[in-house]
Parts: sequence; structure tokens; C-alpha cells
Amino acid sequence: SQKIEQNSEALNIQEGKTATLTCNYTNYSPAYLQWYRQDPGRGPVFLLLIRENEKEKRKERLKVTFDTTLKQSLFHITASQPADSATYLCAPSGAGSYQLTFGKGTKLSVIP
Amino acid sequence: NAGVTQTPKFQVLKTGQSMTLQCAQDMNHEYMSWYRQDPGMGLRLIHYSVGAGITDQGEVPNGYNVSRSTTEDFPLRLLSAAPSQTSVYFCASNANSGTNYGYTFGSGTRLTVV
Repeated sequence: SQKIEQNSEALNIQEGKTATLTCNYTNYSPAYLQWYRQDPGRGPVFLLLIRENEKEKRKERLKVTFDTTLKQSLFHITASQPADSATYLCAPSGAGSYQLTFGKGTKLSVIP
Repeated sequence: NAGVTQTPKFQVLKTGQSMTLQCAQDMNHEYMSWYRQDPGMGLRLIHYSVGAGITDQGEVPNGYNVSRSTTEDFPLRLLSAAPSQTSVYFCASNANSGTNYGYTFGSGTRLTVV
């Protein structure tokens, strides 16, 4: 069965450093991969979508990579700030799919 | 635009009671879906709809009914609530019926079944 693993449940980093979150998937070949941010008590907020033919995508301090050979996506936040503290979710999906499946998330804490 | 609006924000039900969780969007999105989020389980898809009059089951549909009579509304019905349905429920919509577009989520309904 399809499986999505996000590297760790929690990640603590120092303010100003680059945070790197990992999303690994097995038993399928997604055409797209989405990343979301979720704050406590709130719904997820869409951040970035990367396609299988794109190696990298950037948005301000965010960068996402997609390695279909390794079956892995990396999500980077550069110059991290305490306001970046949240849970980050990845969601790979196949072409033509109507069902978006999420990983369990990584809780990022940026320490001042 | 209000985006995706969910009501109520909180609800306590007794086992066996029924209720409807409301979801409305004002973005003219064709695609809408319901997820539940439980500690340690992540977000799981309950039902989804690719347009008015069309619904389909997700990963965990048992105990839930949906209908889609208009583009704007996608209510989720619990016919006989069970403690296992205690969860946070999120409604999401998408401008494109595929997953090649970001989803917009509501702020959630926290449901407790006692």
C-alpha cells in the first residue's frame, strides 16, 4: 500500500538557520507533491506544489525539491524565524487523482 | 472572499445523536472534500465531490454521508454519532478537480462524542 513518511515528528532549530524537512513515499509514483503549513487550532494552508518534471521550486524563503528516483521531497526554510514554527505536511498525488493523501507532518520549532 | 467557511467550530454530541457539519465556499470551486484529523493519524479523506450532484468515498467513509446540491455547499452528516468519530473535521476546496492545484481549507470543526 502507499505510504508517506515525514522524517521526524519534531524538529528544533536555531533562529537564522536553514530548516530541512523530509518527505519520503513508497509504493507509488506521484506526479505532484504539495506542502502545507498548519498552525495549532487552524486548518492547513497551501504553500507550494512541485511537479514530477520539476527538480526545484522556490517561493521567498521556501525551497522544495522533488527527487523521483529517491522517492523523496525536501522542504527548506532559509533564515528561519520563530514565526515559522508550525507543523508542515507533505501530500504526494498521482496524475488524474481526486484524492490527496497527507503525511502525518513534522512539527518545526524555531528557537530564538 | 470568505474562502471556506465551516460551522459550527465546536460541537459535543451524545452517542447515537445525529448532526450535520456545514461547509460553504464562495470561490466557485468545483472540487470539495472532507477530512478528519486525529492525533498520530494525520489527515484522512472521508468523502469528496468533483461537482454538484457528484460525490465519492475517500479513505474513511463509514458512518458519514454527504451530498452536493450546489457548487457552494458540501455538508457532512453523521447519522448516529459514535465516540470513534471524535475528531477535528476539515473541509477543503480546490479550483481544479485534480490534485495538481493547492487546496483551500476551512478552520475546522472540533467534534466530541460522549
